Amino acid sequence: QKEVEQNSGPLSVPEGAIASLNCTYSDRGSQSFFWYRQYSGKSPELIMSIYSNGDKEDGRFTAQLNKASQYVSLLIRDSQPSDSATYLCAHRGGGFKTIFGAGTRLFVKA
Amino acid sequence: EAQVTQNPRYLITVTGKKLTVTCSQNMNHEYMSWYRQDPGLGLRQIYYSMNVEVTDKGDVPEGYKVSRKEKRNFPLILESPSPNQTSLYFCASSATGGASNEQFFGPGTRLTVL
Repeated sequence: QKEVEQNSGPLSVPEGAIASLNCTYSDRGSQSFFWYRQYSGKSPELIMSIYSNGDKEDGRFTAQLNKASQYVSLLIRDSQPSDSATYLCAHRGGGFKTIFGAGTRLFVKA
Repeated sequence: EAQVTQNPRYLITVTGKKLTVTCSQNMNHEYMSWYRQDPGLGLRQIYYSMNVEVTDKGDVPEGYKVSRKEKRNFPLILESPSPNQTSLYFCASSATGGASNEQFFGPGTRLTVL
């Protein structure tokens, strides 16, 4: 079983819609969770981090964490073609290791 | 400009020929890490370092070595590269290894081992 599971996609949404990206993890000791965006041929860049159960909003992005159910999600409101990328979910437990999921490809159609 | 740099960006080599990929950061970060990225597998951590002379294995350390003699540099060494080490490699750094710290990634090194 993979430690971090993501639907590889592609997820296709029309411009202006809400894109919903999901991630489940197996390590109950995980303390912090991250969403990175990676454009093709580029390095990952951090979008959101979340540490507590509930929602965290930053502009058009909302991260949701449910530790009891071991899932974390990312909502992108008013999706734009420039949001088309691969979104990587990651978590860090009590140590210094960071575990990434394989990523979900998102396409936003103009 | 705050950044993580990697060199070379592209490398084609042959099996068994030792190589080093350099990584340097100018943000005075304590924590540095190496990842490889392969299609369908995402980013997998190879080694990480919490500070000078302190390193530890990630999930896929076999075939790799690292050293951290200076805070800013964290080179990745492949003593005897093999074709299964063909991959895209990223170096990353963060201020500390704490759970809340954002990692900043270098531009990547695309390695092909023939």
